[in-house]
Amino acid sequence: GAVVSQHPSWVICKSGTSVKIECRSLDFQATTMFWYRQFPKQSLMLMATSNEGSKATYEQGVEKDKFLINHASLTLSTLTVTSAHPEDSSFYICSARDRERGSSYNSPLHFGNGTRLTVT
Amino acid sequence: GNSVTQMEGPVTLSEEAFLTINCTYTATGYPSLFWYVQYPGEGLQLLLKATKADDKGSNKGFEATYRKETTSFHLEKGSVQVSDSAVYFCALDPFWGYNKLIFGAGTRLAVHP
Repeated sequence: GAVVSQHPSWVICKSGTSVKIECRSLDFQATTMFWYRQFPKQSLMLMATSNEGSKATYEQGVEKDKFLINHASLTLSTLTVTSAHPEDSSFYICSARDRERGSSYNSPLHFGNGTRLTVT
Repeated sequence: GNSVTQMEGPVTLSEEAFLTINCTYTATGYPSLFWYVQYPGEGLQLLLKATKADDKGSNKGFEATYRKETTSFHLEKGSVQVSDSAVYFCALDPFWGYNKLIFGAGTRLAVHP
């Protein structure tokens, strides 16, 4: 089945540094990828929609200059948390829609295993 | 706005017990509804879905019926197994053909032998 690889699975960084999270579709092409974050005991919140070859679309309230998204190829999207602060500590999850099935309303999303970010 | 509310976990059951995880939603228009499952150490996987009112999604013994009148999509299984232990997420897609999912907070299920 379709696999989405997310790396790293966890990362600890110091306040003020930047962290890059990668999301790769291993056996399919993904024109669209989605980035979510989840705080403890809360819902997954959509942060942005990443489109291959174009700028990401950010949800209301998400700072695009802080959460940089790059979707340079059909199999890779990256999320960079710039100048991270402790309040950015969260669980980040990516998902991807299979390009071959992208025209189907019912095509399922494939999720990565998530990245636990801790900013000290 | 659009939102999903799930019952708070954890839900702890003995093997072969009956499972219900409640999910209600608010949405404008006619959303599609989903249940995703996350096993320990893995990503979210689609468990079942329903795209219109009165549809019943089913998979691996789990079922959920799209109830427009009560805005609910409760997950049920007649006899749970230890291997069903996971976190279950209810989600809705409010816009046709966009896959912009809105998730509930997730409900952790622990099944004991």
